[in-house]
Amino acid sequence: GNSVTQMEGPVTLSEEAFLTINCTYTATGYPSLFWYVQYPGEGLQLLLKATKADDKGSNKGFEATYRKETTSFHLEKGSVQVSDSAVYFCALKKGGTGTASKLTFGTGTRLQVTL
Amino acid sequence: EPEVTQTPSHQVTQMGQEVILRCVPISNHLYFYWYRQILGQKVEFLVSFYNNEISEKSEIFDDQFSVERPDGSNFTLKIRSTKLEDSAMYFCASSLAGTSGGYEQFFGPGTRLTVL
Repeated sequence: GNSVTQMEGPVTLSEEAFLTINCTYTATGYPSLFWYVQYPGEGLQLLLKATKADDKGSNKGFEATYRKETTSFHLEKGSVQVSDSAVYFCALKKGGTGTASKLTFGTGTRLQVTL
Repeated sequence: EPEVTQTPSHQVTQMGQEVILRCVPISNHLYFYWYRQILGQKVEFLVSFYNNEISEKSEIFDDQFSVERPDGSNFTLKIRSTKLEDSAMYFCASSLAGTSGGYEQFFGPGTRLTVL
């Protein structure tokens, strides 16, 4: 079945440091890939997405590229801020036709950014 | 900006009791979902719902669970007889469409269920 593997957290960085959170997936067909972020006390918010191979999703300075050859969708940001402290979830949704498609999530990676 | 809301934010119950978790999806959305996250574990899909019936359900969603859209705005998850292992954060989500890869699922803030 489909699965998502994320790097273990927590990740602690100083402000302005470079961020990478690794995500790899196993899926049949051509899934869509997502990064969701959860700020303290809030729900999951879509951060960025990519729907086909070699697509790059980007938002708020974060980027991730859909790499079919390595089945990866690593999240990167060049310069993190304290306000980026949150839990980040990698997820996939299977492609194709059918009824409502579920999201398959990774375990989440907590990011803590300090001054 | 429209958002998914969930009530209560925290529910404490005794083992064997019934609980109903409530969600108000975004008003023009057609697809509804429940997920849960046991502390320290992955967010897991429970069930999806469209056109007043279940579209897909996971192995977790056994006979103890049911979903309902009683009045066109609320979407509820009922656990008939709670077990200790049902303790988790339950997330409701909704989307405008179901199958297209680009359609976002919007999530509520979650209900933390604690079974004693």
